Amino acid sequence: EVQLVESGGGLVQPGGSLRLSCAASGFTFSSYWMHWVRQAPGKGLVWVSRINSDGSSTSYADSVKGRFTISRDNAKNTLYLQMNSLRAEDTAVYYCARDRGFTMIVNYWGQGTLVTVSS
Amino acid sequence: DIQMTQSPSSLSASVGDRVTITCQASQDISNYLNWYQQKPGKAPKLLIYDASNLETGVPSRFSGSGSGTDFTFTISSLQPEDIATYYCQQYDNLPITFGPGTKVDIK
Repeated sequence: EVQLVESGGGLVQPGGSLRLSCAASGFTFSSYWMHWVRQAPGKGLVWVSRINSDGSSTSYADSVKGRFTISRDNAKNTLYLQMNSLRAEDTAVYYCARDRGFTMIVNYWGQGTLVTVSS
Repeated sequence: DIQMTQSPSSLSASVGDRVTITCQASQDISNYLNWYQQKPGKAPKLLIYDASNLETGVPSRFSGSGSGTDFTFTISSLQPEDIATYYCQQYDNLPITFGPGTKVDIK
């Protein structure tokens, strides 16, 4: 069974940093692209970032480019999102999600971790 | 960025009703269109990929059609467990973009 378990969310002040982790199990992690998608409270889904299977290629939404860094450790079956220079508008539930392969179709999602940026 | 619009933004229907949601892309996205269901407090779930393909394990009352810029999502017979928000999503171009969602509830 595919499982994605996010951690690392919490309350952080504007301008601060946070690193999210996503522990993957139930599939060959190193074979799949992975994504981060966020959802502000009461709002819709927003794609944040994508990383290819070996970590050599990444993509970002313009709203986070230069501030967030996606990475992965295939030996540890773990996906990361380093978030720097956080803003109030980054407040959201952050979902780790697995691609179908290398298709940009997301077919498995974690339960999400809440990041709140506030003073 | 490709903008996705959905209509209606919300709807109420009776159990057994046929429900239709439309999604429009701001430019031609071929069939690179997925539909997701999100129940309150839960993660989204993929229902339809590539505009019309039913994801494994998804009930056959869900279906999708369309190509280019105009797409349709249908629930052939609404069930109580279908109460959720439904999102379309394009992946023809980065960034991946989602529609604003359609909230479906029972009348």
